[in-house]
Amino acid sequence: DAGVTQSPTHLIKTRGQQVTLRCSPKSGHDTVSWYQQALGQGPQFIFQYYEEEERQRGNFPDRFSGHQFPNYSSELNVNALLLGDSALYLCASSFYGRVTYEQYFGPGTRLTVT
Amino acid sequence: GEDVEQSLFLSVREGDSSVINCTYTDSSSTYLYWYKQEPGAGLQLLTYIFSNMDMKQDQRLTVLLNKKDKHLSLRIADTQTGDSAIYFCAESPLNQAGTALIFGKGTTLSVSS
Repeated sequence: DAGVTQSPTHLIKTRGQQVTLRCSPKSGHDTVSWYQQALGQGPQFIFQYYEEEERQRGNFPDRFSGHQFPNYSSELNVNALLLGDSALYLCASSFYGRVTYEQYFGPGTRLTVT
Repeated sequence: GEDVEQSLFLSVREGDSSVINCTYTDSSSTYLYWYKQEPGAGLQLLTYIFSNMDMKQDQRLTVLLNKKDKHLSLRIADTQTGDSAIYFCAESPLNQAGTALIFGKGTTLSVSS
């Protein structure tokens, strides 16, 4: 049973560019959440997708957008990259109908903006 | 607002017990979680507790919840060097729209032999 997978593992971009990160949820899961983890900090919630719609959003600007596909995989897009966007981006999957709301995380994508 | 606070560092010797503490703010949170993060890796779900429980035990892990004080703790018995990692406490405030997790900044556990 494959867990949550993310690609790419590492990415280096220049300020002002755009980036797309990808996530495949754990088998049987239908909900994908994205988190940003800056160095030395805890993960911060960006948004959550269920049934191909953004269901909940954290305190992130519109430069951060996402998408969920019919197979439940998801993309995170960040436009007009800033140096402060450098972080580990974590994807978590869960099953919406499960009351315990357990979220399982992937290994993350390390984004460096220069 | 929502905030989860944890002490930043804990150092113990192999074989001792470790206790990591956390305070949270949202009384609507129905579940509280402990995650472990090893260097360069994602987060591993260790355990969670439902808000109407006081204690949950899972092998070497014991979670204690004081809902009145909004205090959560994780006890690791017989701590091993492999337990060295960052431990995050997280709450999931009740929200009809979704199930965002709010994390603390993490407690770095260092285990010496």
